[in-house]
Order: sequence, then C-alpha cells, then structure tokens
Amino acid sequence: DSGVTQTPKHLITATGQRVTLRCSPRSGDLSVYWYQQSLDQGLQFLIQYYNGEERAKGNILERFSAQQFPDLHSELNLSSLELGDSALYFCASSPAGVVNEQFFGPGTRLTVL
Amino acid sequence: GENVEQHPSTLSVQEGDSAVIKCTYSDSASNYFPWYKQELGKGPQLIIDIRSNVGEKKDQRIAVTLNKTAKHFSLHITETQPEDSAVYFCAASNFDSWGKLQFGAGTQVVVTP
Repeated sequence: DSGVTQTPKHLITATGQRVTLRCSPRSGDLSVYWYQQSLDQGLQFLIQYYNGEERAKGNILERFSAQQFPDLHSELNLSSLELGDSALYFCASSPAGVVNEQFFGPGTRLTVL
Repeated sequence: GENVEQHPSTLSVQEGDSAVIKCTYSDSASNYFPWYKQELGKGPQLIIDIRSNVGEKKDQRIAVTLNKTAKHFSLHITETQPEDSAVYFCAASNFDSWGKLQFGAGTQVVVTP
C-alpha cells in the first residue's frame, strides 16, 4: 500500500458525460501527478500540481482539467467523454523536497460506453 | 522532449534464473531513472531508482545500472521467483521538468516454476 488513495475504483459512464476522479496524496506529500494508462499509449503524464499550483503539463486534452485543494487532495475532471478516454487513471504523489520519487495510487478504471 | 525505449516487451524466465530489462533515453538532461513494477489490477510500485551521479545501485535481488554516455540503463533481477511475474516499467525525468516521468512501454516478465 503506497498511502495514495484514489476514488472511485471503477467508473462506467456514457459518451458526452463528465466525471471527476479524486486523489488523496500520502501524508506530507505536496506534489500530485496524474497519469493515464491505455493499451495503445502506455503510461502518459497528464498534469502536475505542487502545493495547490499547477507546475507541469503533459499532453492533456482541453476537455480535461485538474486542481489541487488546500488540503492537498486533487481532482481530475474529464468532460465531453469519448470512447477513447477509456483508460486507467493514476495519481502519484511525491514527498516535499524530493522532486522525483513518485508513489502511485491504485488507479481509477474509466469505461466510456 | 524525452523519449524512453524499453526492451524486451516480454521476457520469460525459469525460476532461479536472472532477468535483464534494458532502456534507452534520448534527453541528456535526464538525471533520475526509476523502475516500477505493476501487478495486475494494481498501480505501479516503485522498486528501485538511480540518479545520474551513480553508476549502479543494488537492493537485495534487484540492481540497476546506468551508462550516461550511452544513455541507457538496465534492471537486473537475480534468483527470480514466481512473485516477480509482473509488468516492469522504466522511466526517466529531470529536476527541471518538475519530475514528470516519461515511461518506457513496459516489459511483461513471466517467471515459470
């Protein structure tokens, strides 16, 4: 158990809908990273927050957005969902002062029908 | 941007034998190289990492080597056991990119008794 929690574990929804994925980092970690894992694209970095501020962005679609709240939990919002958005979404957190060690949560499996 | 290639994509070994997975990276600024193990239905688990000022690091049965000149790094698992069966991912990042990880495509390791 990495100490990173993600909810929900599974999410099934229809095209065009909007969903919110939630992540709670390990106690004391200030950085939260979001990754998408799909069969054809592998593990892809989406976006990173550090202590409430966006720090880095990957190939994140404009339909996707994220935020980190004062209690350091983070939410990833996916809107106008398409079939191709079906994937595993992982959150990872990193200890304050150690930029690169990232500990992953169990993921949210999103299925868009 | 950074590109990480990983080989082989699948690896079958007999219990007790050694397994080696190799990765190459393209960005000479990369200075942090973690390895993750992902079991079915779980998030990636950090198993070992190496920074660019070190050539080799060992932790019990696993070791990682880094050749900065050739821009490649390898994971070595000795005395493999059935519980080592999983997908292994290499990754690279640098401190300037706020730690976002660029992952290899993964290696499915199967250890047969």
